[in-house]
Amino acid sequence: DAKTTQPPSMDCAEGRAANLPCNHSTISGNEYVYWYRQIHSQGPQYIIHGLKNNETNEMASLIITEDRKSSTLILPHATLRDTAVYYCIVRPNFGNEKLTFGTGTRLTIIP
Amino acid sequence: EAQVTQNPRYLITVTGKKLTVTCSQNMNHEYMSWYRQDPGLGLRQIYYSMNVEVTDKGDVPEGYKVSRKEKRNFPLILESPSPNQTSLYFCASSTIPFFPYGYTFGSGTRLTVV
Repeated sequence: DAKTTQPPSMDCAEGRAANLPCNHSTISGNEYVYWYRQIHSQGPQYIIHGLKNNETNEMASLIITEDRKSSTLILPHATLRDTAVYYCIVRPNFGNEKLTFGTGTRLTIIP
Repeated sequence: EAQVTQNPRYLITVTGKKLTVTCSQNMNHEYMSWYRQDPGLGLRQIYYSMNVEVTDKGDVPEGYKVSRKEKRNFPLILESPSPNQTSLYFCASSTIPFFPYGYTFGSGTRLTVV
């Protein structure tokens, strides 16, 4: 069963904030939300993760709803280099469960 | 620099000709894994290894072999490649237990079997 649901594609104007949604209505208490991205057939790259509080790093911000059933990845000032497929993944922070990727959201930044 | 190195980056081969794709990591990670990526299907795990001499099947192991004789290396072997194994392949490594932000992927190997 899919643990997350993401829109298949989105566009965003260069310089604007890109907001990528993810639904994870069956998330359990010990599962974190992780975001990865894959730029043009390169290996996936870790972006950010969080449990229930909003998180920010040099790449992005992660907003998790209070009920934890959905989240939004925010790229504050999107550039052309942010064009990629973005994957939302839920899993425990540690343990032997493999990293399972869905089909993600293809984000296209428009000049 | 911490990295996972795959070779070759591109490979075109003919049906039935044995080939090996190499994967090496310099982070002393216990866990290594192979994924294939096909349009519309996302990343699917082929095989994984929890440590030296410990390997196990992933979701799509048919037609592939692996070995883990050394901690740093995890080659993917196609003994008799077929056109349906044309794909983009990624090797990944991680510590155990997994911290997903510590998952590191190689740059990929694009294989075409004709």
